[in-house]
Amino acid sequence: NAGVTQTPKFQVLKTGQSMTLQCAQDMNHEYMSWYRQDPGMGLRLIHYSVGAGITDQGEVPNGYNVSRSTTEDFPLRLLSAAPSQTSVYFCASQGATGTGGANYEQYFGPGTRLTVT
Amino acid sequence: SQKIEQNSEALNIQEGKTATLTCNYTNYSPAYLQWYRQDPGRGPVFLLLIRENEKEKRKERLKVTFDTTLKQSLFHITASQPADSATYLCALYTGGFKTIFGAGTRLFVKA
Repeated sequence: NAGVTQTPKFQVLKTGQSMTLQCAQDMNHEYMSWYRQDPGMGLRLIHYSVGAGITDQGEVPNGYNVSRSTTEDFPLRLLSAAPSQTSVYFCASQGATGTGGANYEQYFGPGTRLTVT
Repeated sequence: SQKIEQNSEALNIQEGKTATLTCNYTNYSPAYLQWYRQDPGRGPVFLLLIRENEKEKRKERLKVTFDTTLKQSLFHITASQPADSATYLCALYTGGFKTIFGAGTRLFVKA
């Protein structure tokens, strides 16, 4: 049981390049999220998904796209990288409660450190 | 504006003492509050959750209090150890699948 995995661990992009950050979980969790973490700031929600085929925007969605074709995978795409997107990106998953709502505990991946020059 | 405040200054304590970290929030009515631990270069790890109708929650050497009137949570680590050194994040669940995280407080426990 690997939990939440993210690839790559590190990435350097030039302004204007695009890339996809991969996230996978093997816990059969319905809920998945992408956060970015910047120095002195809390984790900020980019996009989230409540199940395969269902995604929605979080607090800072501009410049990012997501899709959820399977329960396990939730990739994050940077369409045209900008220096402001230099950050550490975390993927997280949550299980569902017996009544169908999100469980409380989030499981985080190890993060992807992205630098845009 | 909606805000979560954690002490941005690092907390330095001696091994064996109790560490107390503070989380203050404004303009939220959270259903519950969580504490996570984050080590350098790693993702956050869930520690404890406390609901709005609970005053206190304990888990081994950890204790969390939640005062919805003061809009404050206190996180205590008793008999602290150097291995407790990490950044501790406070997080509020505000509904609609939204969890808001504080910036965290770094704790250093000296042997």
